[in-house]
Amino acid sequence: GENVEQHPSTLSVQEGDSAVIKCTYSDSASNYFPWYKQELGKRPQLIIDIRSNVGEKKDQRIAVTLNKTAKHFSLHITETQPEDSAVYFCAASNRRRILTGGGNKLTFGTGTQLKVEL
Amino acid sequence: EAGVAQSPRYKIIEKRQSVAFWCNPISGHATLYWYQQILGQGPKLLIQFQNNGVVDDSQLPKDRFSAERLKGVDSTLKIQPAKLEDSAVYLCASSLGTILAKPYEQYFGPGTRLTVT
Repeated sequence: GENVEQHPSTLSVQEGDSAVIKCTYSDSASNYFPWYKQELGKRPQLIIDIRSNVGEKKDQRIAVTLNKTAKHFSLHITETQPEDSAVYFCAASNRRRILTGGGNKLTFGTGTQLKVEL
Repeated sequence: EAGVAQSPRYKIIEKRQSVAFWCNPISGHATLYWYQQILGQGPKLLIQFQNNGVVDDSQLPKDRFSAERLKGVDSTLKIQPAKLEDSAVYLCASSLGTILAKPYEQYFGPGTRLTVT
């Protein structure tokens, strides 16, 4: 099955700096890579995602890059703000399995605790 | 649009007792997922339904966990009997459920925090 590794487990940055979180996946059939933000005691919220036919996607201060050959993808947050402080999870799934009756479960990384300090 | 609803939000039980969680997905979402999130870890899929059929339950401890989605809408997840290691947040998620539809993202409910003592 799919295995997703995520680094670092904790990340502390100064407000205004950039933050980068990296993930690797094992299943070359995975084709959908979302990132979730989870604040303490709250539900995971989708912040950005990328499909395997795209190498990079950007949404304001957040960007995600995907290297299919190396099987890794990264989250980039620029101009960090205190409200960016949270746990971030990367995930991977194979959406095409839906067509063959299989599941498209998300396999999550272990999470990165991001702290943005004033 | 209304989000995924779950109840109860918190539950404390003793080991060997039973417990049930309820989930109401976003209207029109054919696919429903139950995830287990142990403290400090990412969510792990327990079971996935497509309408009222099970698509993936490979990681569901079937000797103690069961789930159903009788009418293809609401779902219940049951644990009987509970063990200490079942202490976790149980998250329900839903998606439209078709590769051709957009969005195909999974939307999570607020979760049920279970403490087994």
